[in-house]
Amino acid sequence: ETGVTQTPRHLVMGMTNKKSLKCEQHLGHNAMYWYKQSAKKPLELMFVYNFKEQTENNSVPSRFSPECPNSSHLFLHLHTLQPEDSALYLCASSQVGLSQETQYFGPGTRLLVL
Amino acid sequence: AQKVTQAQTEISVVEKEDVTLDCVYETRDTTYYLFWYKQPPSGELVFLIRRNSFDEQNEISGRYSWNFQKSTSSFNFTITASQVVDSAVYFCALSEPILTGGGNKLTFGTGTQLKVEL
Repeated sequence: ETGVTQTPRHLVMGMTNKKSLKCEQHLGHNAMYWYKQSAKKPLELMFVYNFKEQTENNSVPSRFSPECPNSSHLFLHLHTLQPEDSALYLCASSQVGLSQETQYFGPGTRLLVL
Repeated sequence: AQKVTQAQTEISVVEKEDVTLDCVYETRDTTYYLFWYKQPPSGELVFLIRRNSFDEQNEISGRYSWNFQKSTSSFNFTITASQVVDSAVYFCALSEPILTGGGNKLTFGTGTQLKVEL
């Protein structure tokens, strides 16, 4: 595997379900990010982890719970979601401290909440 | 607060035409970084270019070129001799540092959907 991978690619869940999104980066980076892309809205940053520590929570509702066990893996745990949470969830990684720091993105998980 | 504006929601061109995608940004930072990403229908954001605010040289990469003008806060992207494979949504983004903990966060524009037809 190369780059940033995300699983599952597609997910349909009911409002009472609990599911998790997984992201893995194979780039040796030390920071990972979750973004949300809703229809007709700009990409929104949700969470940032730098060296496994959360450094940014962009006022995300508590029904989204991130977890970063190490610099290569990032999870987004979902519970009691609402239909308006349906979106493309994108994971990214970067190497903080590099002069040419750039975020590289995974293919995303398309989430539909019924 | 940072802001990125991509006023063109959708552009349609015929193959081989040149097309320019506009990006205007707002920031109070004196040092900042600008990016362009391409999002094909598959959904993945593909990194195209990064530009530092202190480097105003224009850049060319094959059929792609970028015009950075600090005086007008613009970072426009031109595709020369467009091809059907260029059809995608293109996003301009501006980064700002995360003061506690390090790293950067990106502020994206709303994107420009480019359709290249035969």
